[in-house]
Amino acid sequence: GAGVSQSPSNKVTEKGKDVELRCDPISGHTALYWYRQSLGQGLEFLIYFQGNSAPDKSGLPSDRFSAERTGGSVSTLTIQRTQQEDSAVYLCASNTGDNQPQHFGDGTRLSIL
Amino acid sequence: GENVEQHPSTLSVQEGDSAVIKCTYSDSASNYFPWYKQELGKGPQLIIDIRSNVGEKKDQRIAVTLNKTAKHFSLHITETQPEDSAVYFCAASITGYSTLTFGKGTMLLVSP
Repeated sequence: GAGVSQSPSNKVTEKGKDVELRCDPISGHTALYWYRQSLGQGLEFLIYFQGNSAPDKSGLPSDRFSAERTGGSVSTLTIQRTQQEDSAVYLCASNTGDNQPQHFGDGTRLSIL
Repeated sequence: GENVEQHPSTLSVQEGDSAVIKCTYSDSASNYFPWYKQELGKGPQLIIDIRSNVGEKKDQRIAVTLNKTAKHFSLHITETQPEDSAVYFCAASITGYSTLTFGKGTMLLVSP
């Protein structure tokens, strides 16, 4: 079946602009995760959604970052007033629940000029 | 919080040799340990995982070992092939805290 789908695959924008990144999880997966991967670094957790529970936002680096998950499926990560340090690959993953294998999309490569 | 250390950061081997990547974790409550392979421009792909109730798991040329006492786990790749060249990440998580904590990755280069 279809895997995790992310769009756009690449995004270039000017400093100070807002950006929206989209994630379509695997059908039937109740949990969805956003991670950030900076050049040559590991993955940094940002936010986690599980079913109808309140999201775990503990990894968001600042209040410029927010995310929504509508209808328990598609998620949008929004970065307001982008800064150059926001340049990274933003990865989305989904799974069926606690401690189950997470399946990743190919990410959105975000470049802030 | 959990901290995962991964070594080495780069590893070069000849085709046919074995490769070993090691990770340590800090939180003794961690009980799920996946390994991911990431190719250039792609997202991480799960290659094998292990839970804390077993000490070793094998899948063809790939094996993972876990030492809960020492809080370390390792990935073993035998009979390496050029297509094994990629960045490998280890990770850990705790039941009830589903998010993964990742190591910083190992770039494996297999030369023909």
